[in-house]
Amino acid sequence: EIVLTQSPGTLSLSPGERATLSCRASQSVSSSYLAWYQQKPGQAPRLLIYGASSRATGIPDRFSGSGSGTDFTLTISRLEPEDFAVYYCQQYGGSAITFGQGTRLEIK
Amino acid sequence: EVQLVESGGGLVQPGRSLRLSCTASGFSFGDYAMSWVRQAPGKGLEWVGFIRSKAYGGTTEYAASVKGRFTISRDDSKSIAYLQMNSLKTEDTAVYYCTRARGAGYLDYWGQGTLVTVSS
Repeated sequence: EIVLTQSPGTLSLSPGERATLSCRASQSVSSSYLAWYQQKPGQAPRLLIYGASSRATGIPDRFSGSGSGTDFTLTISRLEPEDFAVYYCQQYGGSAITFGQGTRLEIK
Repeated sequence: EVQLVESGGGLVQPGRSLRLSCTASGFSFGDYAMSWVRQAPGKGLEWVGFIRSKAYGGTTEYAASVKGRFTISRDDSKSIAYLQMNSLKTEDTAVYYCTRARGAGYLDYWGQGTLVTVSS
């Protein structure tokens, strides 16, 4: 099973700042099979990024994904108040899906 | 508009069974794989399992934590996916989400979730 480790666990930033979230895999992941989700309190997760770098429908362009192999990054260029949430990375290995433990993005 | 609506959650005693349903609308249900994801209170997301479309054999895959106890099935004529949960344990307590799964494994639509509480 591929284990995804996200860092940092909590990120404290102010609106307008740039956020960089990391997701590291225990073994190589195909870029096609790496996704990112956003979850706000009391809500279901929402797909942000798929295929490591493709934005899902309706996702603002301040969200971007990059990376390959075992290291992937979600970047939010200029934080808006509604971006403060928990973010999860996820990979698909053909017969199983795994999620990272999440990064909490909080207002500083 | 794609919609996924879960139902069937509730309070159940350890060792008992429960079946969740996921009613889909707004897309051609039979063309897509469907997956279940759960989230224990205050915890992160845990994949439960998925069922492929009939075009890919309708086969299923499960997380190790539920394999042998949980079964996913689908009724394409009704656009419903099911999660049959047997031999429930207290650690199965979670909000269970139904999701639409794309071929590359990402989950592009999620239901609102249904809470399953396993307690005596």
